Amino acid sequence: QVQLVESGGGVVQPGRSLRLSCAASGFTLRSYGMHWVRQAPGGGLEWVAFTWYDGTKSYYADSVEGRFTISRDSSKNTLYLQMNSLRAEDTALYYCARQKEGSGSYYPFDYWGQGTLVTVSS
Amino acid sequence: DIQLTQSPSFLSASVGDRVTITCRASQGIDSYLAWYQLKPGKAPKLLIYAASTLQSGVPSRFSGSGSGTEFTLTISSLQPEDFATYYCQQLNSYPRTFGPGTKVDIK
Repeated sequence: QVQLVESGGGVVQPGRSLRLSCAASGFTLRSYGMHWVRQAPGGGLEWVAFTWYDGTKSYYADSVEGRFTISRDSSKNTLYLQMNSLRAEDTALYYCARQKEGSGSYYPFDYWGQGTLVTVSS
Repeated sequence: DIQLTQSPSFLSASVGDRVTITCRASQGIDSYLAWYQLKPGKAPKLLIYAASTLQSGVPSRFSGSGSGTEFTLTISSLQPEDFATYYCQQLNSYPRTFGPGTKVDIK
């Protein structure tokens, strides 16, 4: 069955970097668009980034543009989020999510992982 | 960016109750709206997309309606496993914004 497992979270100082991973199983990652979404402690969901199925295009939230990079390794069936110049406000639970295909022009997120926690603190 | 608001932000209900949550968009988004259920420690779950299409495997007590700027999620008869937080999300444009959420708690 489809499964997404995030890893790589932890405690990091402001200004430092961290790379999150999202291991996919049960489907071929290169056939799907993929997203990162985060949830700050006590807060709601915030969309972070998206990459096309073939990795040729990416979109980012203004809050992370220029600091975060989404990428994928098809050979490992894994999605990544490289996070640089981290700030306290980046503290959140980070989810990866798959974009549903075969739903016409609607592309909701049909499978999500359970998230990995990133804490930015000195 | 398209902003979404939800009402109420919190509701207390009993098993068997009919529950309705409203989501409003800052501009028209046709039917480009999805609903998700979040429970602590669990992966978020897609309930409805295209405003009213039930995702495979989701119980039929969940339904969605609306288009343009106003949408509703209805749970026809609340079950114990439905106590959770619900989010709407617009699928019309980037950034893919979410509403602030509605927490459904046990009365």
